[in-house]
Amino acid sequence: DQQVKQNSPSLSVQEGRISILNCDYTNSMFDYFLWYKKYPAEGPTFLISISSIKDKNEDGRFTVFLNKSAKHLSLHIVPSQPGDSAVYFCAASAGLQGAQKLVFGQGTRLTINP
Amino acid sequence: SQTIHQWPATLVQPVGSPLSLECTVEGTSNPNLYWYRQAAGRGLQLLFYSVGIGQISSEVPQNLSASRPQDRQFILSSKKLLLSDSGFYLCAWRSTGRETQYFGPGTRLLVL
Repeated sequence: DQQVKQNSPSLSVQEGRISILNCDYTNSMFDYFLWYKKYPAEGPTFLISISSIKDKNEDGRFTVFLNKSAKHLSLHIVPSQPGDSAVYFCAASAGLQGAQKLVFGQGTRLTINP
Repeated sequence: SQTIHQWPATLVQPVGSPLSLECTVEGTSNPNLYWYRQAAGRGLQLLFYSVGIGQISSEVPQNLSASRPQDRQFILSSKKLLLSDSGFYLCAWRSTGRETQYFGPGTRLLVL
């Protein structure tokens, strides 16, 4: 049973436009969500996170929205730049105490076209 | 600042051979440590995690094992590799109670 799902394996966006990446989860115990960016043959890089007590968190060009009732979160990148082309993973955890095990989605490959 | 190292970067091993991948973290004490695997075209799967020296928890029954002989050292091992062990292995760390896990550069393992 996949608790975190990214239903779009790929997304293509024009440079300068908005990129919207989506993520759905099923476990209502998840209370912390993160987005990572990954280039080929490299480790994931942390982008932005959000606690379940918030519905929005913004950091520069990146904004994450959380809709708890729909168990859905999204990452908005605006404006999109060629360097944003990568695979994006969303991840979720239940509680920060103890081990904090992250559950990852399958990833969405974002391609920014010039 | 904290840094995380993994080696080797790439490894090609025959089926049935042993495996040892190493991960070390600098600039922090008593981190939580994690091993993940990314199979081709798939997400990241948590394999093992450790909250302290000698404390290892396994998430998925498999052909692999992990050890934490020192506070900032995490080792992934196998006695006999299988073809299905091929993948991209990632080590991660986080400070206890903090929100974010930080990943190393990864090791690409190809078992032939």
